Amino acid sequence: DAGVIQSPRHEVTEMGQEVTLRCKPISGHNSLFWYRQTMMRGLELLIYFNNNVPIDDSGMPEDRFSAKMPNASFSTLKIQPSEPRDSAVYFCASSVPGQGEIGEQFFGPGTRLTVL
Amino acid sequence: AQSVSQHNHHVILSEAASLELGCNYSYGGTVNLFWYVQYPGQHLQLLLKYFSGDPLVKGIKGFEAEFIKSKFSFNLRKPSVQWSDTAEYFCAVILYGQNFVFGPGTRLSVLP
Repeated sequence: DAGVIQSPRHEVTEMGQEVTLRCKPISGHNSLFWYRQTMMRGLELLIYFNNNVPIDDSGMPEDRFSAKMPNASFSTLKIQPSEPRDSAVYFCASSVPGQGEIGEQFFGPGTRLTVL
Repeated sequence: AQSVSQHNHHVILSEAASLELGCNYSYGGTVNLFWYVQYPGQHLQLLLKYFSGDPLVKGIKGFEAEFIKSKFSFNLRKPSVQWSDTAEYFCAVILYGQNFVFGPGTRLSVLP
């Protein structure tokens, strides 16, 4: 299995531009998570989906952020318009609950976003 | 509020020294516990996990962790660190029915 796939790996954009980050979870995993990692705040859960349905988006910082999961194999995180304070590494993770246990999360390589 | 704390922000050790990184959580119910490692420039990888059974859990690369329920702790240990262990280490907790909560991370620097 290729693991969780994220694209692009690096994105440099100017303030005000729209940014779209993409994630392909591991096949068969039914939960998908978007995290943001910064030096100041560490790892923050932005939103997670279960069976393609957004369950908790309370971590999404503001209305400029939106996430979709149109099918079980693809999700996007969009920032519009982007601001310099959005600069961070954005991780996607997926999991599948095991029998009688909460599934561990498998992380993608991350997208390093720089907003100038 | 539910939280995960890690005792040290940055730990600096020489090679062959022993390592213990502290992790405490504030939940009172059944929890699943994890340690993840993030090597420089890479994504998070699972080191070890505890779901039930023997509270002493062995993971990859010689790491182990001990779950002490009475202390709400899940400390990570390694008897002899190597330069290649330089990384950031995250403790994470799942309370049943809820999501991962990650600790703030501990940066480990191992001097050759």
